[in-house]
Amino acid sequence: QIQLVQSGAEVKMPGASVKVSCKASGYTFTNYGISWVRQAPGQGLEWMGWISGYNGNTEYAQKFQGRVTMTADTSTSTAYMELRSLNSDDAAVYYCAREWQAYCSSPSCRWFDPWGQGTLVTVSS
Amino acid sequence: EIVLTQSPVTLSLSPGERATLSCRASQSVSSYLAWYQQKPGQAPRLLIYDASNRATGIPARFSGSGSGTDFTLTISSLEPEDFAVYYCQQRINWPGATFGQGTKVEIK
Repeated sequence: QIQLVQSGAEVKMPGASVKVSCKASGYTFTNYGISWVRQAPGQGLEWMGWISGYNGNTEYAQKFQGRVTMTADTSTSTAYMELRSLNSDDAAVYYCAREWQAYCSSPSCRWFDPWGQGTLVTVSS
Repeated sequence: EIVLTQSPVTLSLSPGERATLSCRASQSVSSYLAWYQQKPGQAPRLLIYDASNRATGIPARFSGSGSGTDFTLTISSLEPEDFAVYYCQQRINWPGATFGQGTKVEIK
């Protein structure tokens, strides 16, 4: 079955960086993009950015530009999200999600399905 | 940035009742809207895409409607497993995406 398995929970000091991995299985990695979404405790969902599984092209939400890097390793079907200069506001569960193309020609018909199980990032001194 | 506003924030209902959730966009998103369900401690799950299409494996009691700026998710008869938080999402400016703040459907 199609599955995204993320790396384990992380505890980081303020100012540090975190790199979360997302290993895909059950589908051809290069045929789909991956988006990253985060969720602060008790809060809603926030889109962080997207990476193409085909050519590694990226697009980041303006809020995270300059602080986030998304990469993909097609040889292992794994996507990565690195976030730098962490502060307490970055404490959250980070999710990866496959961009599934619905039955229309527009890229706006790409929805998040499935999602990884989430990676809890704690920022604490 | 397109803002999605969901209402109500919390919906208190009993099993077997009908649930009607609303999502309003600050500008037209055509039919590029999805609904997700999230249970405590779990990742979100795609329910409805392109405003009105059920995702694979989603029961027929879930339905979506709307276009432009006003959208509705309806659960025709609530099952115990349906009590969760529901988010709408738009992608008209792909790859960007924004989510509503969520509606919690709780047991009355």
